[in-house]
Amino acid sequence: QQQVKQSPQSLIVQKGGISIINCAYENTAFDYFPWYQQFPGKGPALLIAIRPDVSEKKEGRFTISFNKSAKQFSLHIMDSQPGDSATYFCAADNTPLVFGKGTRLSVIA
Amino acid sequence: DGGITQSPKYLFRKEGQNVTLSCEQNLNHDAMYWYRQDPGQGLRLIYYSQIVNDFQKGDIAEGYSVSREKKESFPLTVTSAQKNPTAFYLCASRGRGGYGYTFGSGTRLTVV
Repeated sequence: QQQVKQSPQSLIVQKGGISIINCAYENTAFDYFPWYQQFPGKGPALLIAIRPDVSEKKEGRFTISFNKSAKQFSLHIMDSQPGDSATYFCAADNTPLVFGKGTRLSVIA
Repeated sequence: DGGITQSPKYLFRKEGQNVTLSCEQNLNHDAMYWYRQDPGQGLRLIYYSQIVNDFQKGDIAEGYSVSREKKESFPLTVTSAQKNPTAFYLCASRGRGGYGYTFGSGTRLTVV
């Protein structure tokens, strides 16, 4: 029940395309859903986050879509750029955070 | 600048030795966390502390120990009982009432 399942494990997207990463959870006590971005050799950095009372949140090219009834949420990266190439982690909070296993995104020109 | 400092960045340990990883924060955050990262495994929680002089085991605490004597510091000791210690270790903190975690830059531990 504490797991967060993330897919796909890896993703290759053309420059300018849309990157989509999906996550699913079971525990309905989770009340905060962040996404983290991690570059090689660095710690993860908070990218964007959503609370379950909101269905969508957009910040620049990054959008979280949240489906409470399906217990799923996803990250969309619009107009993907080579600089977006990184590992992305979804997470869910019931103190402490529970992380998905990560998606390695490669944006190719 | 406020943040979390992990040291050293790289650490080599001989089998059978204990080693301590440092984590210091100047964010005045109450809660601190240690995660272990292995390829394809995501971030797995080792220990966390929500207040000074108190800490709880995470999912993979065996072979590790921590202390929280000061609000700013949360060192992690990897003991000889940890059978597969080679990994990337991440420390994080969170302020009271806050949601987002702030992570350090990590320590890469290699057993030689």
